[in-house]
Amino acid sequence: DTAVSQTPKYLVTQMGNDKSIKCEQNLGHDTMYWYKQDSKKFLKIMFSYNNKELIINETVPNRFSPKSPDKAHLNLHINSLELGDSAVYFCASGRLSYEQYFGPGTRLTVT
Amino acid sequence: AQSVAQPEDQVNVAEGNPLTVKCTYSVSGNPYLFWYVQYPNRGLQFLLKYITGDNLVKGSYGFEAEFNKSQTSFHLKKPSALVSDSALYFCAVRDVENSGYALNFGKGTSLLVTP
Repeated sequence: DTAVSQTPKYLVTQMGNDKSIKCEQNLGHDTMYWYKQDSKKFLKIMFSYNNKELIINETVPNRFSPKSPDKAHLNLHINSLELGDSAVYFCASGRLSYEQYFGPGTRLTVT
Repeated sequence: AQSVAQPEDQVNVAEGNPLTVKCTYSVSGNPYLFWYVQYPNRGLQFLLKYITGDNLVKGSYGFEAEFNKSQTSFHLKKPSALVSDSALYFCAVRDVENSGYALNFGKGTSLLVTP
């Protein structure tokens, strides 16, 4: 009955690989998000996705792409992984004017 | 841009004492403000929010926050700290400058409650 779930919890991969992180929410929310938390714990929005409208943070490399097969899912695809991509990635969901609920995070380590 | 600032990297308090974690905001228009807590190796948990109405907002785990428009602050408070409150606390503001309404977070404040 987890509200926002992410898989995998840990992801270790080599530079140059392509990987995906899955996110699912069962809260019936209309908007989903991806955030990145770096090694200093700074949290920054990467993407917002609402009713097929995608809002991209301009600082996010185009190697990152979200894919939403339906309202309950927003997966994150990353191509050609780089060392600097190592971070914790959080999925979240919410209604526009209200609080967001976060998944447990995926710790990505690129070697 | 909508932003929040958390001036303290760390706050130390003895168990049983009141605690305050500071947050100031800079927004255009009315602010939508939030507090989240992150325990080690966990996701962020929502504590409370200010949208409109009463300036004193009550939230989860006995936390409350006071919205002060003249000082542009939204400090998190708890009358009596517990050791289990030790965690990383984030203040956030909803970004109304894009239709995604993402949250812009402060840098976080580490709260350490000692027995």
